[in-house]
Amino acid sequence: ETGVTQSPTHLIKTRGQQVTLRCSSQSGHNTVSWYQQALGQGPQFIFQYYREEENGRGNFPPRFSGLQFPNYSSELNVNALELDDSALYLCASSLARGGGQETQYFGPGTRLLVL
Amino acid sequence: AQKVTQAQTEISVVEKEDVTLDCVYETRDTTYYLFWYKQPPSGELVFLIRRNSFDEQNEISGRYSWNFQKSTSSFNFTITASQVVDSAVYFCALPNTGNQFYFGTGTSLTVIP
Repeated sequence: ETGVTQSPTHLIKTRGQQVTLRCSSQSGHNTVSWYQQALGQGPQFIFQYYREEENGRGNFPPRFSGLQFPNYSSELNVNALELDDSALYLCASSLARGGGQETQYFGPGTRLLVL
Repeated sequence: AQKVTQAQTEISVVEKEDVTLDCVYETRDTTYYLFWYKQPPSGELVFLIRRNSFDEQNEISGRYSWNFQKSTSSFNFTITASQVVDSAVYFCALPNTGNQFYFGTGTSLTVIP
């Protein structure tokens, strides 16, 4: 196990609702990244947080937002849910040393279904 | 931007056979790292190996080995003597300098007993 935890494990929402997903990073890691994985696809980068600041964002609309707390845990918030938001949401923690060399360790994911 | 291509969508092998998973990448970075992850049905991505671009020596770790060829931008992963527990989806990944990972579409491996 990586020590990265996510909650909840499963979630069902209806279109237009809002959702908050949570992630606790591995001990000692100061960076959290969020990914969306649609069925049959590879994970797509949503955004990354380093020391409570957003540190890069993928091609996702502003209704995807996040937070990182002083203990480096993180939340992903999605407003105005759409059917296409149904996916597995993965959180990963790492150390921010730059250079694209740090291994990211993933949590078990949250499966979101939007009806 | 980084790009990773895994052309093999699904592979089936019989237990104890060797299997090679292909990965081709694109990047403008002069130095970079490549990764392989395994995703079992439970969904969690499990880190397998990391390789840097300035060392093309191929390595073996237990039943896993990898073949990195910078000239062809390929980073292939081989499982020797496959086991049923190896059945999973395997992803190749290439981070940018901000450590934001770009994944391929994955190769689903089924090992038949």
